[in-house]
Amino acid sequence: DIQMTQSPSTLSASVGDRVTITCRASQGINNWLAWYQQKPGRAPNLLIYKVSNLQSGVPSRFSGIGSGTEFTLTISSLQPDDFATYYCQQYNNVPYTFGQGTKLEI
Amino acid sequence: QVQLQQSGPGLVKPSQTLSLTCAISGDSVSNNSASWNWIRQSPSRGLEWLGRTYYRSTWYTQYAFSVKSRITITPDTSSNQFALQLISVTPEDTAVYYCTRQRDRFDIWGQGTMVTVSS
Repeated sequence: DIQMTQSPSTLSASVGDRVTITCRASQGINNWLAWYQQKPGRAPNLLIYKVSNLQSGVPSRFSGIGSGTEFTLTISSLQPDDFATYYCQQYNNVPYTFGQGTKLEI
Repeated sequence: QVQLQQSGPGLVKPSQTLSLTCAISGDSVSNNSASWNWIRQSPSRGLEWLGRTYYRSTWYTQYAFSVKSRITITPDTSSNQFALQLISVTPEDTAVYYCTRQRDRFDIWGQGTMVTVSS
């Protein structure tokens, strides 16, 4: 199975900050990399797919970049609604696997 | 607008069978550009992909190795839904279960079903 390792596990930030979350895959995933936001009691919500493509309806302050085995999610200017947990996922090979999550807190 | 609506019991006894259904609206389970997946989430295991079914002139299924001996995912074309069965459950199977659609990406998710395995 492909292991996905996120860092950091927890990130403290303030409204207006620029934050970056990193995801590393244990092997190449051909850019089949997605990012999700999850709030308590809710299903994960797709933010970005295929490394850098913004899902419809997602604010442009979210962006993704990367290649090979290293990927990052950046939020350019944190808004109050952005405090949540973020996950990366590879969907190049089954079993599809997720990172362990990054909790973004105030 | 595509929606997935999950149904099924929230409490299952150990050694029994967990059964959940995901009803699809706005798309077809037979869509040959989509796959229909089950994913679960627990504090101990995080987000865990369990398996999927999809139609490409015939039906295919794929399962995670961790549950392969216990899981069945079946499409139901007459009701436009797909189902998850997990046999011989233990407390380790306690989790929130999600159904999802994959069309190039996992863009549509069900609301989630909290399933507790307990006597």
